[in-house]
Amino acid sequence: EIVLTQSPGTLSLSSGERATLSCRASQIVSSSYLVWYQQKSGQAPRLLIYGASNRATGIPDRFSGSGSGTDFTLTISRLEAEDFAVYYCQQFGSSPYTFGQGTKLEI
Amino acid sequence: QVQLQQWGAGLLKPSDTLSLTCAVSGGSLNDFFWSFLRQSPGKGLEWIGEITQSGSTNYNPSLESRVTISVDTSKSQFSLKVRSVTAADTAVYFCARGTTVVVPPYDYWYFDIWGRDSLVTVSS
Repeated sequence: EIVLTQSPGTLSLSSGERATLSCRASQIVSSSYLVWYQQKSGQAPRLLIYGASNRATGIPDRFSGSGSGTDFTLTISRLEAEDFAVYYCQQFGSSPYTFGQGTKLEI
Repeated sequence: QVQLQQWGAGLLKPSDTLSLTCAVSGGSLNDFFWSFLRQSPGKGLEWIGEITQSGSTNYNPSLESRVTISVDTSKSQFSLKVRSVTAADTAVYFCARGTTVVVPPYDYWYFDIWGRDSLVTVSS
């Protein structure tokens, strides 16, 4: 199965700063099958980015995704208070679908 | 607005069968794939398996020998059974809608709608 490794495990930043989260796959993943989610405590994951770089409906443009092959990045350009959460990457390129272990974005 | 409502027993004993059902409201089962996932501190987010409206299934090999996912189209529901549970099956369980969007030459896949979590605890 494809293993997704996210880094860093925890990212400590302040509101207004830029966040860069990394997701590395153990095998090449087609960009169209790479997804990012945001999860807040006690809630289900929320779809942010699909196809590596396409924002889901209602997602602010401060969120952007990029990458290809085995290296993907989620960038939040100017952090707002509501953005502090855990972020997961996930792949649909090969079954079983797998998730990264998450990056916790904290103030 | 499509919503998923899930329910099932929250406390099980080892060797019991875990059963969860997810009801789809505000939309159709057609043209989507319906999944169960779980999340535990030790294993993070784990995809369990999926089913389509026609009943075609795909399971995570790590659980396939103990898992059955079924669909009841008349009730717009899909269900999960995990047999012979152990403490390792203790987790928060989710159901989710999987969507495929084709924009040639690409097809995009993602989980866009999730049910509220169900905590399942396995303890003697």
